[in-house]
Amino acid sequence: EAGVAQSPRYKIIEKRQSVAFWCNPISGHATLYWYQQILGQGPKLLIQFQNNGVVDDSQLPKDRFSAERLKGVDSTLKIQPAKLEDSAVYLCASSFGTGVSTDTQYFGPGTRLTVL
Amino acid sequence: RKEVEQDPGPFNVPEGATVAFNCTYSNSASQSFFWYRQDCRKEPKLLMSVYSSGNEDGRFTAQLNRASQYISLLIRDSKLSDSATYLCVVNSNSGYALNFGKGTSLLVTP
Repeated sequence: EAGVAQSPRYKIIEKRQSVAFWCNPISGHATLYWYQQILGQGPKLLIQFQNNGVVDDSQLPKDRFSAERLKGVDSTLKIQPAKLEDSAVYLCASSFGTGVSTDTQYFGPGTRLTVL
Repeated sequence: RKEVEQDPGPFNVPEGATVAFNCTYSNSASQSFFWYRQDCRKEPKLLMSVYSSGNEDGRFTAQLNRASQYISLLIRDSKLSDSATYLCVVNSNSGYALNFGKGTSLLVTP
């Protein structure tokens, strides 16, 4: 079974530039998550989708971050404009069920973003 | 107070040793608890769920103490391949999302 795919794997940009990340979850998984993991920290949930609807985006900095999951499959996360403190690994995860917290979440390899 | 707190370590132990990690959580209404493992520069992977009665998976034992809001992970007969960061995970106030601790770093040496 194919895992969660993410691209690009690495991205280096200058502050105030824009960047977008892409995620393709495991086939059939209804719930998709975007996490931000800063060096030395655990992953922090940015946004959770159930199919193509948003379940939780309470920790998404909406002035600069946006995300969408069109057709309930792939998802993109965008940062515009980027700040130095956005340097982190952006992890996408998916789970089979309808977002119940007992579902196992499967993580993609992440996109490592460096903002200069 | 952070929702999930862990001792970051590092814990340096010799092969064959037994090591225990602890974690505390702040939300008494939490219902779901997990330990995830994260290798260096890799994604987190589920190690095991933690049940109220305690559970064991081979060399790994997880315990939950709801009264003290405390979770533990015990690794027996440590292997070199156990070297990783162990993340304590608890479901959030909303019930859907998971809150991750900062992780505890383990290094098993020959």
